Amino acid sequence: GAVVSQHPSRVICKSGTSVKIECRSLDFQATTMFWYRQFPKQSLMLMATSNEGSKATYEQGVEKDKFLINHASLTLSTLTVTSAHPEDSSFYICSAGKAGLETQYFGPGTRLLVL
Amino acid sequence: GENVEQHPSTLSVQEGDSAVIKCTYSDSASNYFPWYKQELGKRPQLIIDIRSNVGEKKDQRIAVTLNKTAKHFSLHITETQPEDSAVYFCAAVFSGGGADGLTFGKGTHLIIQP
Repeated sequence: GAVVSQHPSRVICKSGTSVKIECRSLDFQATTMFWYRQFPKQSLMLMATSNEGSKATYEQGVEKDKFLINHASLTLSTLTVTSAHPEDSSFYICSAGKAGLETQYFGPGTRLLVL
Repeated sequence: GENVEQHPSTLSVQEGDSAVIKCTYSDSASNYFPWYKQELGKRPQLIIDIRSNVGEKKDQRIAVTLNKTAKHFSLHITETQPEDSAVYFCAAVFSGGGADGLTFGKGTHLIIQP
């Protein structure tokens, strides 16, 4: 199998605080993980590519200083939303793939609500 | 970069009938095309994928066709059932042999009428 988990599943925070979201590949190693954002009734938008042991690659328009990504091991990537604001409220989903294969497996997502 | 257009945005079919969802892509270098099914509040689930060296792939009631020349691909679901109701997303990417960031279409809300 290929199981990807995320934690927390949902979080509510005050404006100005930071929130960390974890993405884990449970039964395989992932040198690359991906972070997507999905607003209500919209599609998934790629935010960044997380590379184990190196800097993340951000998509155009995504602020790297606001969305900090760390990929410290082959099974864990974290996304930290710094100084969160209400407009950052969204569904954040990570994905990972097995080495040499195109197929991506998605985590269950984290619903972030910033008050 | 890649741009993926998906139609229709909403599709309502009678149970037992077929459903077809179409996507076009802009980057001729794209070579991997997955389809995902997403139920409300849940993660996208891969239902079928196709690579550019193949024109058609079938898995029970689900099939995908790819026309590289026209840069479009389609999802076909036959004998639709109530549990097929969900949002379906197509995606495209150039893969150099591993996973790469996907560009998604805007999604199709499929409604199966009993």
